Amino acid sequence: QQQVKQSPQSLIVQKGGISIINCAYENTAFDYFPWYQQFPGKGPALLIAIRPDVSEKKEGRFTISFNKSAKQFSLHIMDSQPGDSATYFCAASMYTSGSRLTFGEGTQLTVNP
Amino acid sequence: GAVVSQHPSRVICKSGTSVKIECRSLDFQATTMFWYRQFPKQSLMLMATSNEGSKATYEQGVEKDKFLINHASLTLSTLTVTSAHPEDSSFYICSAIITETQYFGPGTRLLVL
Repeated sequence: QQQVKQSPQSLIVQKGGISIINCAYENTAFDYFPWYQQFPGKGPALLIAIRPDVSEKKEGRFTISFNKSAKQFSLHIMDSQPGDSATYFCAASMYTSGSRLTFGEGTQLTVNP
Repeated sequence: GAVVSQHPSRVICKSGTSVKIECRSLDFQATTMFWYRQFPKQSLMLMATSNEGSKATYEQGVEKDKFLINHASLTLSTLTVTSAHPEDSSFYICSAIITETQYFGPGTRLLVL
């Protein structure tokens, strides 16, 4: 019940295209859903996060769509650039459990020039 | 965003020795920090939660006598890998939390020969 399932495992997109990564969770007590971007040999960097009381959040080229009833959320990267090539992790946490993050398995995104 | 540093960025040690990794929150105070381990092309695995002024909480399966955690101040947590063996070679990443958001350090690459 603590799992977060992420798909696809890898994704190849052309420059200028839209990258879409999906996550699904089971625990309805999760109340915070961040996305992290990780480059090889570096720590994850927070991209964008959402709470379940909103259905969408946009920051620049990055958008989270959240479907509470389906227990799913997704990251959309508009106008994908080669510099976006990285591994993306979705995660979920509960404030009442000390905000410990449960991570998805990760998606390796490659944006071809 | 908040800045978290780690030192060293990479370390090579001989089997049987101990290695200490430092995690610092540079521009904020963190009563709670987290330690993760990451294997190549895998997600982050939470090892323990480090609480300032109290004992760390370890995840199931993590040997607390092998991975010693000390959180002596509001800006510093340390992870000591005791009697390191080649199987302890990994990428260790810490994070510090503000409200519900975790900010990650750049990671420490440990290689045990």
